[in-house]
Amino acid sequence: KNEVEQSPQNLTAQEGEFITINCSYSVGISALHWLQQHPGGGIVSLFMLSSGKKKHGRLIATINIQEKHSSLHITASHPRDSAVYICAVSGGSQGNLIFGKGTKLSVKP
Amino acid sequence: KAGVTQTPRYLIKTRGQQVTLSCSPISGHRSVSWYQQTPGQGLQFLFEYFSETQRNKGNFPGRFSGRQFSNSRSEMNVSTLELGDSALYLCASSLWLNTGELFFGEGSRLTVL
Repeated sequence: KNEVEQSPQNLTAQEGEFITINCSYSVGISALHWLQQHPGGGIVSLFMLSSGKKKHGRLIATINIQEKHSSLHITASHPRDSAVYICAVSGGSQGNLIFGKGTKLSVKP
Repeated sequence: KAGVTQTPRYLIKTRGQQVTLSCSPISGHRSVSWYQQTPGQGLQFLFEYFSETQRNKGNFPGRFSGRQFSNSRSEMNVSTLELGDSALYLCASSLWLNTGELFFGEGSRLTVL
């Protein structure tokens, strides 16, 4: 079993829909990262959080440390949000980043 | 403020050769970490450097090595290349070790023939 599990693997939405991507982890962590990767490879860090909730524009990230679960929400989705969203946790036994497999989001106009 | 710069962006090598990739972090960032991304395995942690010392290492064979210079620039080297080493190699910089937001470079795409 992977230490970081994301769901769903693939997600297709219509423009304007509310989107939720989930991330569950099984190791102790010091922080959780949400990353966005567009075709071509470049990765952008969206959020780094260790507790509670953070908001940036239309993006909201939450984490529940007790349940070892985090969610990334996108409100009023737009085709430019189409990308792969990756959850990663830092901590674990070696202290390095452990990545989920990613969620491929496609937002149709 | 300049971002993280990786060179070269693309390269093609043959089996048995070696390759050196370079990463220049954001000015003032002291931590540089390296990652391998393949379609099958996704993103995997290679190693992390801070103040010229390797602080963490992922589960990769000894053919994968790296170093960090006094100006925080980092290089990684892969010797005796195998077909399976074909991947996108990404580096990221952050202010401190194991903490802080990560800033990624565009990656170096290595093809091994």
